[in-house]
Amino acid sequence: AAGVIQSPRHLIKEKRETATLKCYPIPRHDTVYWYQQGPGQDPQFLISFYEKMQSDKGSIPDRFSAQQFSDYHSELNMSSLELGDSALYFCASSPRTGLAEAPGSYNEQFFGPGTRLTVL
Amino acid sequence: QQQVKQSPQSLIVQKGGISIINCAYENTAFDYFPWYQQFPGKGPALLIAIRPDVSEKKEGRFTISFNKSAKQFSLHIMDSQPGDSATYFCAASMGYGNKLVFGAGTILRVKS
Repeated sequence: AAGVIQSPRHLIKEKRETATLKCYPIPRHDTVYWYQQGPGQDPQFLISFYEKMQSDKGSIPDRFSAQQFSDYHSELNMSSLELGDSALYFCASSPRTGLAEAPGSYNEQFFGPGTRLTVL
Repeated sequence: QQQVKQSPQSLIVQKGGISIINCAYENTAFDYFPWYQQFPGKGPALLIAIRPDVSEKKEGRFTISFNKSAKQFSLHIMDSQPGDSATYFCAASMGYGNKLVFGAGTILRVKS
């Protein structure tokens, strides 16, 4: 079965540089979520999109922005990178409008393999 | 402040034993409670999930027990295997299409 695709898988940047992370949701999934996971920590919600509109916002720094495109893929743009931004970034997707097609799939979120960002 | 409190922080179980991980929440608006399994450097994988209208759900060796009045839920892994060694996260969300709030995680080690 198709899974969430994230690219790149690894990224090394210098302080104050910019980074763009990409996420391709599972086909027919229209909701995308971004989470940040620091070493030894639980995933923290950053932002989500439904039908190309921002649906919720968590603890996302102002230096970060994101969007969802017409093909439902999403990009997380990170500027003025800081050492503390080093983390695993996960994208997850869910079929909000597909409930009728998959009964019992209430709010199931499927995570991608993540992008490991290292800021030096 | 962790909205979902998870315990224990780490757990060692003998092969064939039962692993039990507990979570508690305060927000009664939560209406979806999944468990995720994560291996080092990998993405969290959905294991099993439950809604508040059900007190127990079983899928293979994994069972969720849900106590709505106590606002607690737990994951039981029967016949634990070394391959189950991973970090387990409980989570909660309110409403369809909304963010997950995670517990702090439990590192499970199954000794062979």
